[in-house]
Amino acid sequence: AQSVTQLDSHVSVSEGTPVLLRCNYSSSYSPSLFWYVQHPNKGLQLLLKYTSAATLVKGINGFEAEFKKSETSFHLTKPSAHMSDAAEYFCVVSSNDYKLSFGAGTTVTVRA
Amino acid sequence: NAGVTQTPKFQVLKTGQSMTLQCAQDMNHEYMSWYRQDPGMGLRLIHYSVGAGITDQGEVPNGYNVSRSTTEDFPLRLLSAAPSQTSVYFCASSGLEYEQYFGPGTRLTVT
Repeated sequence: AQSVTQLDSHVSVSEGTPVLLRCNYSSSYSPSLFWYVQHPNKGLQLLLKYTSAATLVKGINGFEAEFKKSETSFHLTKPSAHMSDAAEYFCVVSSNDYKLSFGAGTTVTVRA
Repeated sequence: NAGVTQTPKFQVLKTGQSMTLQCAQDMNHEYMSWYRQDPGMGLRLIHYSVGAGITDQGEVPNGYNVSRSTTEDFPLRLLSAAPSQTSVYFCASSGLEYEQYFGPGTRLTVT
């Protein structure tokens, strides 16, 4: 069994300040973990993925995430938010098969 | 390389009507899947396929049928539309490390 909990349904930041989106997971196996971004009325785009290589994963658009097995966490960060980062973000887990489990999503608002 | 394409983008149906949502991918991926997205619930898996001729049910399969006659295409059929099927539908195909590539979605309203 696997599941994902995104700890914040909504995060609001000022442009130029750091962004932190929190994700905890559970998995019976060594998981693969992903973050996806969805801009309004668009499909989902893969930001980054963890697949048992380096625990610090760098993705597109300056995002990165750290896999912490002891804390069962995979938090997403960005040092400096941009207006274009306003979107919904999904943390996703796979127990190394093709069935993914999605978190409920975190909506990010960026204030000018 | 178009990735994953879906048609139509928007559709309005009356209760009881049937229709097919089309999905195609040009990445030669074996695994394809259909999700529905409802507010506050993330994405939920409807049906999936691990290759041509092989399909299986996901988390919320009732009211939907699929078939997979080719690697490229994976249509989703609504047999008798109900208002509870109003949603945004996404098709996806998977790469070798289980990451999924999503189409742009179909926004369906059932009245």
